[in-house]
Amino acid sequence: DAEITQSPRHKITETGRQVTLACHQTWNHNNMFWYRQDLGHGLRLIHYSYGVQDTNKGEVSDGYSVSRSNTEDLPLTLESAASSQTSVYFCASSEKPRGTGELFFGEGSRLTVL
Amino acid sequence: QKEVEQNSGPLSVPEGAIASLNCTYSDRGSQSFFWYRQYSGKSPELIMSIYSNGDKEDGRFTAQLNKASQYVSLLIRDSQPSDSATYLCASDADDMRFGAGTRLTVKP
Repeated sequence: DAEITQSPRHKITETGRQVTLACHQTWNHNNMFWYRQDLGHGLRLIHYSYGVQDTNKGEVSDGYSVSRSNTEDLPLTLESAASSQTSVYFCASSEKPRGTGELFFGEGSRLTVL
Repeated sequence: QKEVEQNSGPLSVPEGAIASLNCTYSDRGSQSFFWYRQYSGKSPELIMSIYSNGDKEDGRFTAQLNKASQYVSLLIRDSQPSDSATYLCASDADDMRFGAGTRLTVKP
């Protein structure tokens, strides 16, 4: 069965370190998204991609970067982790263009920045 | 700023009652609207999508859309304890935006 997987599921890091969260999907979807979820804020969009070599900033993109070199993967990098980036991160993908279809979510990555 | 707002809750209803969840959006360019359910510690899953004004029914769930009022709602009939979860409203414009979610508890 097609799926979307995130790794690591849990990570603890220190302020200032670089962190990369991996996202891999086997749906062959062109559209991929990264969200963070914090209590009281729901899901906030960090970055998204509508295809290989395409990346776009979401509403909370500062301090994060993504790259899309193939259809299956959209890694999220925190260049210099900050305590404010402690959160649960969800990767998602969709088949239809520009958010018109169902999002399929990974299981989430819980990041703690000390 | 493209905003999606939900009534903050939490919402508690007795088993068998109707649960009503509401959502407003600011971007008139939004065409598609979605309700996701998220159980504690799990990832969101789609339960309803609606694209046209009016009602859309799927089993015990009914989504309602009023584009003139920029308002989307979700009704859950005959609520069950298994419906206890956080419900997230989402709309698309250039990207997919979510509301903060409403936590629903259905008491036996």
